Amino acid sequence: AQSVTQPDIHITVSEGASLELRCNYSYGATPYLFWYVQSPGQGLQLLLKYFSGDTLVQGIKGFEAEFKRSQSSFNLRKPSVHWSDAAEYFCAVARDTGRRALTFGSGTRLQVQP
Amino acid sequence: DTGVSQDPRHKITKRGQNVTFRCDPISEHNRLYWYRQTLGQGPEFLTYFQNEAQLEKSRLLSDRFSAERPKGSFSTLEIQRTEQGDSAMYLCASSFGGGNTEAFFGQGTRLTVV
Repeated sequence: AQSVTQPDIHITVSEGASLELRCNYSYGATPYLFWYVQSPGQGLQLLLKYFSGDTLVQGIKGFEAEFKRSQSSFNLRKPSVHWSDAAEYFCAVARDTGRRALTFGSGTRLQVQP
Repeated sequence: DTGVSQDPRHKITKRGQNVTFRCDPISEHNRLYWYRQTLGQGPEFLTYFQNEAQLEKSRLLSDRFSAERPKGSFSTLEIQRTEQGDSAMYLCASSFGGGNTEAFFGQGTRLTVV
């Protein structure tokens, strides 16, 4: 069975600082990997995805993530955080076949200090 | 707006009552998913439709839960004899099956059982 671990429950960064959110997955084959963002009371918005090819993927809002197969990781990064980035971030994995339902991590809540 | 829409956005019900939620997916999407998200957790997969066929149900989906997708368009999720443990955000997502496509989420229905 696939699983996702986000080791950091809560992270606080200063506005303008860089950000890295960690994600580790467990899956026997090549995974499809995603990062979603959720603002309070809202649904999930896709930031970026990795299916194959270049292991460094670019997303919306200036986010990027790097797939490292050897470390089973898919960490999310942003060089300069804006106050509007404060939200909950979820890493997710899907099988590359079949129903492709997502297995989510428990999330990392990002707080941005002025 | 051509995104995934869910109705109602909020529902408060007394324990033991039945509730029904509706999801309207993106029109050309043939796959539809239901997830449940409790406070402080990532969404958990409940069930999946491809067109009108319900192809998979999670063990989280007890006998009190039923989902339908008549004619492969909108979907409903009904919870019978609600319990306080059913209080959660219920998220619907849709995707176009096949190839490298991602799921788009609605804003969810927040259920509170009192």
